Amino acid sequence: DVQMTQSPSSLSASVGDRVTITCRASQGIRDSLGWFQQKPGKAPRRLIYATSSLQSGVPSRFSGSGSGTEFTLTISSLQPEDSATYFCVQYNSPSLTFGGGTKVEIK
Amino acid sequence: QVTLMESGPALVRPTQTLTLTCTFSGFSLSASGMCVTWIRQPPGKAPEWLARIDWDGDKYYHTSLKTRLSISGDASRNRVVLTMTNMGPEDTATYYCARVYYSLDFWGQGALVIVSS
Repeated sequence: DVQMTQSPSSLSASVGDRVTITCRASQGIRDSLGWFQQKPGKAPRRLIYATSSLQSGVPSRFSGSGSGTEFTLTISSLQPEDSATYFCVQYNSPSLTFGGGTKVEIK
Repeated sequence: QVTLMESGPALVRPTQTLTLTCTFSGFSLSASGMCVTWIRQPPGKAPEWLARIDWDGDKYYHTSLKTRLSISGDASRNRVVLTMTNMGPEDTATYYCARVYYSLDFWGQGALVIVSS
């Protein structure tokens, strides 16, 4: 099975900061990588699919990049409502695997 | 509009079998490329994939849980059922069903299942 290693596990940043979260796959997964945002008690919300495609309705400050085994989620200008946990998921194989999550806090 | 909803018991005794139903709308499980998957998330932890059923009837299971899991689908009733046998306290989690249509997209709201005597 593909292992997904996500970093950092948590971060604290100020409003307006640029934030980057990374996921590394244990083997190549082409562009089959998505990013989700989850707030407490809520279902995950998709932000990015196919590595860099922005989900409809998601603010353009969110972007995704990468290829092969290294992927990043960038929030260009952090907003108070972005306080949440973010995780990546690979779907190159039927057995999905998730990153460990990154908890983003606002200073 | 795609929606999914999980239903099942909130409390399960150790060694019992858990049966969860995913009822969905806004898509057909028989459409080419369509899949429904089950994912669980223990409190404070990352999600863990469990099982998937595809439009063509193919089924996939988590490697280390496959002996305990069974997934079935009824496209005519827009339902997918997951059973997990021999439940233990470590299986306490929120269980989600979700759609995979070339990529993981829509999730249900989740069903918290507590395993306790």
